[in-house]
Amino acid sequence: KQEVTQIPAALSVPEGENLVLNCSFTDSAIYNLQWFRQDPGKGLTSLLLIQSSQREQTSGRLNASLDKSSGRSTLYIAASQPGDSATYLCAVSYNTDKLIFGTGTRLQVFP
Amino acid sequence: EAGVVQSPRYKIIEKKQPVAFWCNPISGHNTLYWYRQNLGQGPELLIRYENEEAVDDSQLPKDRFSAERLKGVDSTLKIQPAELGDSAVYLCASSLPPGPEQFFGPGTRLTVL
Repeated sequence: KQEVTQIPAALSVPEGENLVLNCSFTDSAIYNLQWFRQDPGKGLTSLLLIQSSQREQTSGRLNASLDKSSGRSTLYIAASQPGDSATYLCAVSYNTDKLIFGTGTRLQVFP
Repeated sequence: EAGVVQSPRYKIIEKKQPVAFWCNPISGHNTLYWYRQNLGQGPELLIRYENEEAVDDSQLPKDRFSAERLKGVDSTLKIQPAELGDSAVYLCASSLPPGPEQFFGPGTRLTVL
């Protein structure tokens, strides 16, 4: 069964810290991997998309890496801010555009 | 550019009642998805449309759920009758192949009492 796991489930840190969120998937034959952000009561916002042939993607303070062979991805958030507080979801797709999501990491950054 | 629009944003009904959700995808996006997100979980795909055709509905509970996408634009997801376990957020997303990125709406939060 294709499953996605995210660790930790929740994280609370002071402003300014550098963070690492982890995502693992059981079937390494992915087509691509996406990181999303979800704010309370709102939909998902795509942050970064990594194709299977890529090793990492960067956008501003965010950097996502992909290691297909080990079935892992990490999302690195530099210099965290209170506005980064949200739930971060990892999702993978295989040979279709169906996304399989993890359960998310709930992040709180306090001033 | 307008994003994916969903309505209503919130719905509270009693069990055994019918309910319907509406989605308007981003203009020009021919692929539309309905996901269900239970509390504390990631979204799970219910059905995917390419234009008017449902190409993946394997996870849709067909005894009580139905969906349609007339004219390949707007879509409606219906539950009849609703059960307590249907309480969740129902998310609609759209994409424009070959681009893999999916754009999500704000969702409809359903509470079944």
